Amino acid sequence: QAVVTQEPSLTVSPGGTVTLTCGSSTGAVTSGHYPYWFQQKPGQAPRTLIYDTSNKHSWTPARFSGSLLGGKAALTLSGAQPEDEAEYYCLLSYSGVLWVFGGGTKLTVL
Amino acid sequence: EVQLVESGGGLVQPGGSLRLSCAASGFTVSSNYMSWVRQAPGKGLEWVSVIYSGGSTYYADSVKGRFTISRDNSKNTLYLQMNSLRAEDTAVYYCASKIVGATGFGSGIDYWGQGTLVTVSS
Repeated sequence: QAVVTQEPSLTVSPGGTVTLTCGSSTGAVTSGHYPYWFQQKPGQAPRTLIYDTSNKHSWTPARFSGSLLGGKAALTLSGAQPEDEAEYYCLLSYSGVLWVFGGGTKLTVL
Repeated sequence: EVQLVESGGGLVQPGGSLRLSCAASGFTVSSNYMSWVRQAPGKGLEWVSVIYSGGSTYYADSVKGRFTISRDNSKNTLYLQMNSLRAEDTAVYYCASKIVGATGFGSGIDYWGQGTLVTVSS
């Protein structure tokens, strides 16, 4: 069973930039894992931010971007806002038969 | 507008069964990828199962052999039949969908329901 790893917590200053990463125990993350990124605020359902590595939904704020970085999937937030404080999860697909979420990154804007 | 509304959660004893439903609107369940994701209290997201548009189904090891995902095309509804429930199955269960083509053809989740709570306890 693959394990997907994320930073447990990160802190960013308002207006600052932070990068969250998503790694796989099976090796480098590629576009073939179709990396997804989700945001979840307390008491709410998750919301999809990024699909297929770097594509944004119509509701995704422009300050969020996705990429592959050093063998991992990455979510970069440029110009952090107080409302971006949340838990962020990545999702990787393994040949379409197994989906695995990362453990989540608690992002604090302080 | 895409909407997913789950129902069927509740309190069940260990070893019992429960069937969750997810009524979809704004798109066709049978033409897209539908999945279930759960979140235990205070924990992270855990993928449970997926049914692809072609009908193929896949499960996390933790539920394989106990849970069954299915869909009723006439009702545009997704189901999760959960048998032999354990305390560790206690979680909010989310129904989720991917609109194939609109966001590519790879696995994933575009839309989420609000979730339904399943509590397994005696």
